[in-house]
Amino acid sequence: SQQGEEDPQALSIQEGENATMNCSYKTSINNLQWYRQNSGRGLVHLILIRSNEREKHSGRLRVTLDTSKKSSSLLITASRAADTASYFCATEQGAQKLVFGQGTRLTINP
Amino acid sequence: NAGVTQTPKFRVLKTGQSMTLLCAQDMNHEYMYWYRQDPGMGLRLIHYSVGEGTTAKGEVPDGYNVSRLKKQNFLLGLESAAPSQTSVYFCASSASLSRGFEQYFGPGTRLTVT
Repeated sequence: SQQGEEDPQALSIQEGENATMNCSYKTSINNLQWYRQNSGRGLVHLILIRSNEREKHSGRLRVTLDTSKKSSSLLITASRAADTASYFCATEQGAQKLVFGQGTRLTINP
Repeated sequence: NAGVTQTPKFRVLKTGQSMTLLCAQDMNHEYMYWYRQDPGMGLRLIHYSVGEGTTAKGEVPDGYNVSRLKKQNFLLGLESAAPSQTSVYFCASSASLSRGFEQYFGPGTRLTVT
């Protein structure tokens, strides 16, 4: 079974608005990663946050991690049409494997 | 640098036929992975390899076999295809995940079993 559960499953917003996606997991982790998948393509790594970090930024992306609640969030600020994609969280638990969530489908409306 | 490549990109099989999917990476990564992705789902790990000559089972290994004879290649085999194996298959490679390296993904192979 997949460890990560993402919320919401789908999100539709207007261009320029902020988008927030959440991920919950069940066991302790070494790190948590976020990936983007454009329709029909492979996944692309966005950002990684380690278990001893609480927040990380990369351009318009902000990731938070709360290990006490076993949850993470991905915030995309000032969204653009090109941000339309599916977003997946993935957890690494020490076995050189990633466990992926089911993803959030984000649609940015012009 | 081609990154991670997969062949073929598309394939249609009849039930009971066999095929091999090839994954190649040119980043000298130790770790390689095969996933399947079904509609509306995340990725599920089929098999993975932590180095040349090694393989291990993932979450959904039944009906698949793998081999890693060369560090840069990871093959996924279907011995007797079933309609339940209709899916998009992704290969990925990585340096050490536990030390904070990311996975690099191939473009995928869309397989239909009729």
